[in-house]
Amino acid sequence: IQLTQSPSSLSASVGDRVTITCRASQGISSDLAWYQQKPGKAPRLLIYDASTLQSGVPSRFSGSGSGTDFTLTISSLQPEDFATYYCQQFKSSPYSFGQGTKLDIK
Amino acid sequence: QVQLVQSGAEVKKPGSSVKVSCKAPGGTFNSYTINWVRQAPGQGLEWMGRILPFLGVTDYAQEFQGRVTIIVDKLTSTAYMELSGLKSDDTAVYFCARGYSNYQEVFDYWGQGTLVTVSS
Repeated sequence: IQLTQSPSSLSASVGDRVTITCRASQGISSDLAWYQQKPGKAPRLLIYDASTLQSGVPSRFSGSGSGTDFTLTISSLQPEDFATYYCQQFKSSPYSFGQGTKLDIK
Repeated sequence: QVQLVQSGAEVKKPGSSVKVSCKAPGGTFNSYTINWVRQAPGQGLEWMGRILPFLGVTDYAQEFQGRVTIIVDKLTSTAYMELSGLKSDDTAVYFCARGYSNYQEVFDYWGQGTLVTVSS
């Protein structure tokens, strides 16, 4: 299953609302997770089951979608949110990732 | 806080093998899968395979079939990923990651990563 994220990169300012999309090559129900990765660090799980917030993740992060189209929204960007974001499908093996969306400061 | 601690960086010759370790808290292998994900320099994440230690089952991505072996040592609570037939494009950071509770194909805790450099 191929996952295509858009945009590949995004410039935004603190306080902005941003949305990242992830499109699957076939239907995956709600079997989608989102991760955040900062340079030199391991990824961090943000959301699973398309919309369930992982414990400890700020509520400004939200996810939606099912089937083939999904979104990750950050309601009000904070300085610590500038990072690269990946979607991952867990519908079937191999558990593929999107190519990533790099979010940087405008 | 769950910690997965990986072995240190490796430099390998083309054609050789590398074995990366991932030490987990005791008891991890009774309930959780261990996955291996790699990231080439400046690139995205690539799932390589996993082991379900409680079932004694492995599942590898087709791309790595025949070259990758994932095992666990329950006595030392350590997982291992061995990749053979190394090529220059196997240069990457290799992460181990634990499957999450009822969603074992989602990864909640990750190791710090191990850089493997393949160079002649």
